[in-house]
Amino acid sequence: GQNIDQPTEMTATEGAIVQINCTYQTSGFNGLFWYQQHAGEAPTFLSYNVLDGLEEKGRFSSFLSRSKGYSYLLLKELQMKDSASYLCAVGSFQKLVFGTGTRLLVSP
Amino acid sequence: DTAVSQTPKYLVTQMGNDKSIKCEQNLGHDTMYWYKQDSKKFLKIMFSYNNKELIINETVPNRFSPKSPDKAHLNLHINSLELGDSAVYFCASSGVGYEQYFGPGTRLTVT
Repeated sequence: GQNIDQPTEMTATEGAIVQINCTYQTSGFNGLFWYQQHAGEAPTFLSYNVLDGLEEKGRFSSFLSRSKGYSYLLLKELQMKDSASYLCAVGSFQKLVFGTGTRLLVSP
Repeated sequence: DTAVSQTPKYLVTQMGNDKSIKCEQNLGHDTMYWYKQDSKKFLKIMFSYNNKELIINETVPNRFSPKSPDKAHLNLHINSLELGDSAVYFCASSGVGYEQYFGPGTRLTVT
């Protein structure tokens, strides 16, 4: 079976750092993806981890531990425009299986 | 240039009607997908095509019929629409890498 868990909602302050966790149990694994989705818009690709460790991309970093079935997305120097939903997805057998998403609210 | 485009953006129709949503990508990708995002924002795959061949069909009712005339297009036809079909439908495509690129979505409302 497939199970992907993320917190439903998080709040943070502009300029701060926030970590969004994702745990997964899937029957196949081709990689762990993070997508950002603003309200009323399409998901946009943020990052991809296939090996254990940290991938850094500007203000965003993503970490993967395959043995623990765990990933996190780290957002630094938060900006108001970072208020969005963040979707964790596992690549499994030629498809992406998405978690329910974490809604991040950034306040001034 | 829009990478993945969908039409229409909004679709309001009555129960029992038949409707189609069109998707086109100009990224040169071989694989295209249809996803459904429900009111709780859960994004779930429905179908996947690779080079016009169906490779994934996620137990979707057979009222939903995808068609891929070529690898740049993947259309979705829905027969006998039901209230529960109301959702946002996203088309996506992927190439050699695993990341998928999503279209802007079609918000379907069935009344």
